[in-house]
Amino acid sequence: SYELTQPLSVSVALGQTARITCGGNNIGSKNVHWYQQKPGQAPVLVIYRDSNRPSGIPERFSGSNSGNTATLTISRAQAGDEADYYCQVWDSSTEAFGGGTKLTVL
Amino acid sequence: EVQLVESGGGLVQPGRSLRLSCAASGFTFDDYAMHWVRQAPGKGLEWVSGISWNSGSIGYADSVKGRFTISRDNAKNSLYLQMNSLRAEDMALYYCAKESGYDFGGAGNYFDYWGQGTLVTVSS
Repeated sequence: SYELTQPLSVSVALGQTARITCGGNNIGSKNVHWYQQKPGQAPVLVIYRDSNRPSGIPERFSGSNSGNTATLTISRAQAGDEADYYCQVWDSSTEAFGGGTKLTVL
Repeated sequence: EVQLVESGGGLVQPGRSLRLSCAASGFTFDDYAMHWVRQAPGKGLEWVSGISWNSGSIGYADSVKGRFTISRDNAKNSLYLQMNSLRAEDMALYYCAKESGYDFGGAGNYFDYWGQGTLVTVSS
């Protein structure tokens, strides 16, 4: 099965830029999607196909994907961005999720 | 407005069975693949199973293969998950999720809508 590696936690100062990585073997050749999950809530799609934002997601959220690492970038971080973030790809007839990263806004 | 409403969760003893349902509305159900994703308490997301628009393509995670069966009834706009031989490690919140395309795992497809989940507790 395809493994996706995320840092357990990332901290960012209010108003600064947070970067959450998702590592996988040659992940740059795959489509990576990102989900935000706040406590007690269902996941919400924030980035699809590496770098596309669904309607309603702020421009502060962006994504990139190259080589063995995909990155979710959150600019001008706000308190409301505190959440768990998961990357996801399709590989060999299965969907794979990263282990999740807890984003703390200080 | 897209709505996915799961039901059927509850407390079940190890080795027993349970059937989850997901009622979909707000979109043309038979145009899209659908999935079940679970989340154990305090843990991350785990994909469980997916099914294409016409049930022609189905997939399972290794952890549930041979025990769980996914199905759909397009006439009823409903998705199901039959769970047999339940284990303690199956205890989780089970989400129904809509895929962005019609084909299970189609290139570039993603989960664009999620339900609120139904809780499955496996305990004697």
